[in-house]
Amino acid sequence: GAVVSQHPSRVICKSGTSVKIECRSLDFQATTMFWYRQFPKQSLMLMATSNEGSKATYEQGVEKDKFLINHASLTLSTLTVTSAHPEDSSFYICSARRGNSLNQPQHFGDGTRLSIL
Amino acid sequence: GENVEQHPSTLSVQEGDSAVIKCTYSDSASNYFPWYKQELGKGPQLIIDIRSNVGEKKDQRIAVTLNKTAKHFSLHITETQPEDSAVYFCAASKSLGQGAQKLVFGQGTRLTINP
Repeated sequence: GAVVSQHPSRVICKSGTSVKIECRSLDFQATTMFWYRQFPKQSLMLMATSNEGSKATYEQGVEKDKFLINHASLTLSTLTVTSAHPEDSSFYICSARRGNSLNQPQHFGDGTRLSIL
Repeated sequence: GENVEQHPSTLSVQEGDSAVIKCTYSDSASNYFPWYKQELGKGPQLIIDIRSNVGEKKDQRIAVTLNKTAKHFSLHITETQPEDSAVYFCAASKSLGQGAQKLVFGQGTRLTINP
């Protein structure tokens, strides 16, 4: 079946550090990838949608200069949290969808737990 | 925009009994309704989905029903087992044109199966 790989699974770093998270679709080409943020015991909040070769579309309230998204190939999207601060600590999850058809479901990675000290 | 309400927030059932989780959505144009299971420290895993041209779909012990008129859909798990314990999320989406799609998630249900 479809597999989405996310790396790293956990990051602990000092305030002010920039952190890059990678999301890869392992056995399919993902035209569209999604980045979500999840707070403890809460639902998933969509941060942005990225399409291969074009700029990401950010949801209202998400700072595009803070959360840099690059979708350079059909199998890789990256999220960079720039100059991270403790309030950026969260569980970040990526998702990928094969092709452009609504008939294709979204598959999720296993998330990255980011802790900023 | 779309709003998805999910109930209950927590559900505890005896092993072997059935569990039902319900969701309502607000946008009548929504036409795709997936259910995800999320285990502790993991990402959500798609367990079943249904499209608006179908009223019911079943996959072994899991079934989903959709009532378009009432704008609600439900997840049914029969013969529950301890490994069914997890957080379950419903979601709704519609086509936004040019292949774009945006899932809107419910608040989640923490299901506990008691041995």
